[in-house]
Amino acid sequence: GNSVTQMEGPVTLSEEAFLTINCTYTATGYPSLFWYVQYPGEGLQLLLKATKADDKGSNKGFEATYRKETTSFHLEKGSVQVSDSAVYFCALSDSGSARQLTFGSGTQLTVLP
Amino acid sequence: EAGVAQSPRYKIIEKRQSVAFWCNPISGHATLYWYQQILGQGPKLLIQFQNNGVVDDSQLPKDRFSAERLKGVDSTLKIQPAKLEDSAVYLCASSPLRESYNSPLHFGNGTRLTVT
Repeated sequence: GNSVTQMEGPVTLSEEAFLTINCTYTATGYPSLFWYVQYPGEGLQLLLKATKADDKGSNKGFEATYRKETTSFHLEKGSVQVSDSAVYFCALSDSGSARQLTFGSGTQLTVLP
Repeated sequence: EAGVAQSPRYKIIEKRQSVAFWCNPISGHATLYWYQQILGQGPKLLIQFQNNGVVDDSQLPKDRFSAERLKGVDSTLKIQPAKLEDSAVYLCASSPLRESYNSPLHFGNGTRLTVT
């Protein structure tokens, strides 16, 4: 079956530090990959996505590249801000799964001023 | 556009009691999902509707959980009787029918259930 593995948190960084959150996946077929973000007290929001190998998704300074050879989709940001404090979820949608998302366990990020 | 609406925002009940959650998806969205998010874990799909029909309920504990989507719009998820392990955030999400599998889902803010 499909699965997503994320690096365990929590992650605490100082403002302007570099961020990497690792994500690897197992899937049949050719999945699409997503990063969702959940700010305190809010619902999940799409942060970025990539639909095929070597695609790079980007949004709000965050980037992730779909690496089929390593089955990875690591999230990066060059300079984090306090407002980036949230829980980040890696997810996949398999082309054969009727658009269901399989989520990783989430990584709590706290950015200190 | 208005987002996915869920209510109540919080609910505390004792074990063996029953509880119901309500979801109103984005207008025109044919597909509706209920996810369960236990603290420290990622959301897990419980049930998926397309219009008022069930697409997948393979992970729904049918001995105690039920869901319906009358008229293909609003949906209700019920737990009866509740167990301690049902404590979680229940998320509703929706998506348009015609978008492809690589399009995002739109999530509500969730209902946080505490079973004591």
